Amino acid sequence: AQSVTQPDIHITVSEGASLELRCNYSYGATPYLFWYVQSPGQGLQLLLKYFSGDTLVQGIKGFEAEFKRSQSSFNLRKPSVHWSDAAEYFCAVGEPGGGNKLTFGTGTQLKVEL
Amino acid sequence: EAGVAQSPRYKIIEKRQSVAFWCNPISGHATLYWYQQILGQGPKLLIQFQNNGVVDDSQLPKDRFSAERLKGVDSTLKIQPAKLEDSAVYLCASSPSGAGLGNEQFFGPGTRLTVL
Repeated sequence: AQSVTQPDIHITVSEGASLELRCNYSYGATPYLFWYVQSPGQGLQLLLKYFSGDTLVQGIKGFEAEFKRSQSSFNLRKPSVHWSDAAEYFCAVGEPGGGNKLTFGTGTQLKVEL
Repeated sequence: EAGVAQSPRYKIIEKRQSVAFWCNPISGHATLYWYQQILGQGPKLLIQFQNNGVVDDSQLPKDRFSAERLKGVDSTLKIQPAKLEDSAVYLCASSPSGAGLGNEQFFGPGTRLTVL
């Protein structure tokens, strides 16, 4: 069964600084990979997804993620963080042929200092 | 386009009571999911419907949880009787036709359940 590890529970960055959130997965083949964001009291919103092809994926709100097969990683990055980016971020793995079932990591809480 | 609707947004009950949550997916979305999100954890899939049929309920505690999606549109998730460990946010999501991967899941705002 696949699993997802987000090693950072909390991260604090200053507004305007760069951001990288880590995600490692465990799966026998190349999975489908997703990043979601959850603001307080809101549902999850999809930021970006990777299925195949170019390993650098662009998403909404200026986010990007890079799939590195050798490291089983799919880290999320943003060059300049805005105060409105403060939220919880979840990495998720989808199993090809698994009927769109997603397995989520435990999340990383992002705090942005002004 | 209206998003996924859920009600109630908050519910407080005592252990051993029963509770029900309602979800109305995005119009035309064939697939509906219920997730449980315990504080400090990521969402965990409880059950997945394709139209009004169950695709996956392997992680649904069937001794106390039940779900239905009559007519393949809205859905109800029930807990009876509730335990303290059921305190969580229950998220509903829907995705367009088919259970094929690649269909984005659209999430509702969730129902926060507190069991005392």
